[in-house]
Amino acid sequence: NAGVMQNPRHLVRRRGQEARLRCSPMKGHSHVYWYRQLPEEGLKFMVYLQKENIIDESGMPKERFSAEFPKEGPSILRIQQVVRGDSAAYFCASSPGRIGYGYTFGSGTRLTVV
Amino acid sequence: AQTVTQSQPEMSVQEAETVTLSCTYDTSESDYYLFWYKQPPSRQMILVIRQEAYKQQNATENRFSVNFQKAAKSFSLKISDSQLGDAAMYFCAYRSSSFQGAQKLVFGQGTRLTINP
Repeated sequence: NAGVMQNPRHLVRRRGQEARLRCSPMKGHSHVYWYRQLPEEGLKFMVYLQKENIIDESGMPKERFSAEFPKEGPSILRIQQVVRGDSAAYFCASSPGRIGYGYTFGSGTRLTVV
Repeated sequence: AQTVTQSQPEMSVQEAETVTLSCTYDTSESDYYLFWYKQPPSRQMILVIRQEAYKQQNATENRFSVNFQKAAKSFSLKISDSQLGDAAMYFCAYRSSSFQGAQKLVFGQGTRLTINP
């Protein structure tokens, strides 16, 4: 019974490259959430998705960031033309329903932009 | 918008002693959920305990308990009989129960807990 799987665990990108972060929710979970954690800070909500739908992207930066959760396959958080300030840990969580009692978090992807 | 504040960036405690981590929050809602998460060096976010605001009884999970003061908007975590494995960052989090806001957790800044052997 695998939990929320995120890969890669560590990702290094040069400034201007693209970063793709993947998240496979727990089996039976159809709701996915992405959070960002800057060093020494708490997690900040970015986006909430269901299969093929973005439900709430109020925490997403307006440019360069996008997320999807296709009918088949993992959820993808995509960051185009990365900058140093994008360096952070990105966490994915999943839940089984709309008003989920709680999330299950993945172990995160640490993105380092050099 | 809701905010969560953890005023103790770092705390330390002797093994087997008791420690209390503070959390305050600001909201205009009457119904909501509060959580404490633990983040060890592995980075995994682990749910420690949760509390529904409409329940007056404080939640308890083994050595972990909360002191929920709704009027004061305070939600502290007490760890009894501290163990070395309790060393981690601890985050307090708020979740609305309204349809619109229920999907996101609002986190505090975290408290780094050190256990001294």
